[in-house]
Amino acid sequence: NAGVTQTPKFQVLKTGQSMTLQCAQDMNHNSMYWYRQDPGMGLRLIYYSASEGTTDKGEVPNGYNVSRLNKREFSLRLESAAPSQTSVYFCASSEADRGGSDTQYFGPGTRLTVL
Amino acid sequence: GEDVEQSLFLSVREGDSSVINCTYTDSSSTYLYWYKQEPGAGLQLLTYIFSNMDMKQDQRLTVLLNKKDKHLSLRIADTQTGDSAIYFCAERLRGSYIPTFGRGTSLIVHP
Repeated sequence: NAGVTQTPKFQVLKTGQSMTLQCAQDMNHNSMYWYRQDPGMGLRLIYYSASEGTTDKGEVPNGYNVSRLNKREFSLRLESAAPSQTSVYFCASSEADRGGSDTQYFGPGTRLTVL
Repeated sequence: GEDVEQSLFLSVREGDSSVINCTYTDSSSTYLYWYKQEPGAGLQLLTYIFSNMDMKQDQRLTVLLNKKDKHLSLRIADTQTGDSAIYFCAERLRGSYIPTFGRGTSLIVHP
């Protein structure tokens, strides 16, 4: 099993350009998440999808959109990139066992720079 | 609301024990996690504990939970240079989808 995969690994954009970050998991997990990580800020949740067909905003959703394409895939789109969106983006997935430990599994990250 | 606090840095000598601390806000039916992030990689779960437990041990790792003070610690015995990483504490209320992460503690291990 590959676990959680993310593409691309690195990306440089100019202000105003758009792009989509791809995420896929092969663990048959119900829930998927997008986080951004900035120095000294820890992880902040952008959007999540509790189950296939649903998406919800997290702590910092402005400037982003998401699509839960199917159970395996959850994409993050930047419509008009801004320098403030320079960050490392992590996708994660979990079983959605809210009554249990519901561990999250993380992808390797996408390092995005917006000039 | 939930808030998870960690100190930002810890420096230890190889072979010593490391203790990374975390405080959290909610003590009712809470899962508490420790994740490790190596440079250039994603987060990897090390261990977790439920709020009705006091301690959990797994090889070199010991997690202690003080429910009264809402304090969680991760002790790494015989710390090695390969343990150098950022360690994240996270809290998730039972029944919620969303964990709250601390800002991470950078552990530096000196030879």
